[in-house]
Amino acid sequence: EAQVTQNPRYLITVTGKKLTVTCSQNMNHEYMSWYRQDPGLGLRQIYYSMNVEVTDKGDVPEGYKVSRKEKRNFPLILESPSPNQTSLYFCASSRPGLAGLNEQFFGPGTRLTVL
Amino acid sequence: SQQGEEDPQALSIQEGENATMNCSYKTSINNLQWYRQNSGRGLVHLILIRSNEREKHSGRLRVTLDTSKKSSSLLITASRAADTASYFCATDLTLSANSKLTFGKGITLSVRP
Repeated sequence: EAQVTQNPRYLITVTGKKLTVTCSQNMNHEYMSWYRQDPGLGLRQIYYSMNVEVTDKGDVPEGYKVSRKEKRNFPLILESPSPNQTSLYFCASSRPGLAGLNEQFFGPGTRLTVL
Repeated sequence: SQQGEEDPQALSIQEGENATMNCSYKTSINNLQWYRQNSGRGLVHLILIRSNEREKHSGRLRVTLDTSKKSSSLLITASRAADTASYFCATDLTLSANSKLTFGKGITLSVRP
């Protein structure tokens, strides 16, 4: 089954404790992206990757890191989480099209609480 | 930054009625996409319409795009209780330095049985 998986699905942590949220897709997609969703703000892009070893900042990259060592995986790293990073996080993947991005396939989400 | 803006923010209708949701944007786009999100879950792609297209259909969904007015509409016909969800439009911008979809804040649709 074609899917995007994220782990963990729920996480409660404390300020400053490094954490990684994993994202994996089995569709051989080149493009992967991380979003955060906050009430009243919609989805905002954190980082994206056009292919292996190619990453770039989205709209809200501060406090986050990513890596793309393999095509299928795109982990999101919070080196020193803070309470304002409490949010619902989504990973997505797609195949770039000739005229813009194609449909995005979303993971189930990771609900992160930073105390 | 450029953002699709949906209208209305919330919509409540009776089962069997049609639901119309609108999206406006500010600059040129490659395409516009509509997504659906059930409470707290991942978004699911509904339909993509390219800048050179004016209308697309998919089952009970009809999407229109008016590039002169920079607006799109999503029509769900013969709505069902199961259509209750949040709906988002997302724009893929022409000449954007970023490869990204910019999402609106969403429309909450409630379909009453």
